Amino acid sequence: EAQVTQNPRYLITVTGKKLTVTCSQNMNHEYMSWYRQDPGLGLRQIYYSMNVEVTDKGDVPEGYKVSRKEKRNFPLILESPSPNQTSLYFCASRGANTGELFFGEGSRLTVL
Amino acid sequence: AQSVTQPDIHITVSEGASLELRCNYSYGATPYLFWYVQSPGQGLQLLLKYFSGDTLVQGIKGFEAEFKRSQSSFNLRKPSVHWSDAAEYFCAVGRMDSSYKLIFGSGTRLLVRP
Repeated sequence: EAQVTQNPRYLITVTGKKLTVTCSQNMNHEYMSWYRQDPGLGLRQIYYSMNVEVTDKGDVPEGYKVSRKEKRNFPLILESPSPNQTSLYFCASRGANTGELFFGEGSRLTVL
Repeated sequence: AQSVTQPDIHITVSEGASLELRCNYSYGATPYLFWYVQSPGQGLQLLLKYFSGDTLVQGIKGFEAEFKRSQSSFNLRKPSVHWSDAAEYFCAVGRMDSSYKLIFGSGTRLLVRP
């Protein structure tokens, strides 16, 4: 089954404790992206990657890092989480010939 | 700047009634437009998309949307709502450049009365 898988789905952590949210897709997509969803703001793009070893900032990249060492994986790294990073995070991927973004089920992060 | 406006935060309809969710966008070029649905605890599922051609597009689950360039709108419609349609709906406009960023509206939550 074609899917985008994120882990963990739920996480509560404390300020400053580094964490990584993993994202993996099994569709051989070149393009992958991270969004955060906040009430009243919709989804905003954090980072995106056009292909392996190619990443770039989206609209709200502050406080986040990403890496793309393999085509299928695109982890989101919070080096020193802060409470304003409490949010619902979505990973998405897209194939070269389709305009559709395929989304993971989301990772709800709470930073205390 | 590009933006998407969904003016209705919540909409409540009775089961079997028709539905229209509004979406207005601001975009400097020909837009690529999308509607996604998010059920509680789930990711986003694509309902339909418009890239070019016929301005009335059909999607999954009986939804359709009409692109009106003169009004900068892409409203989502369904003739008869089912209880399972209760969810949050997001309109988005896409940039087809290297960032391939989707700019999302703030969403409309649909409640369905029995």
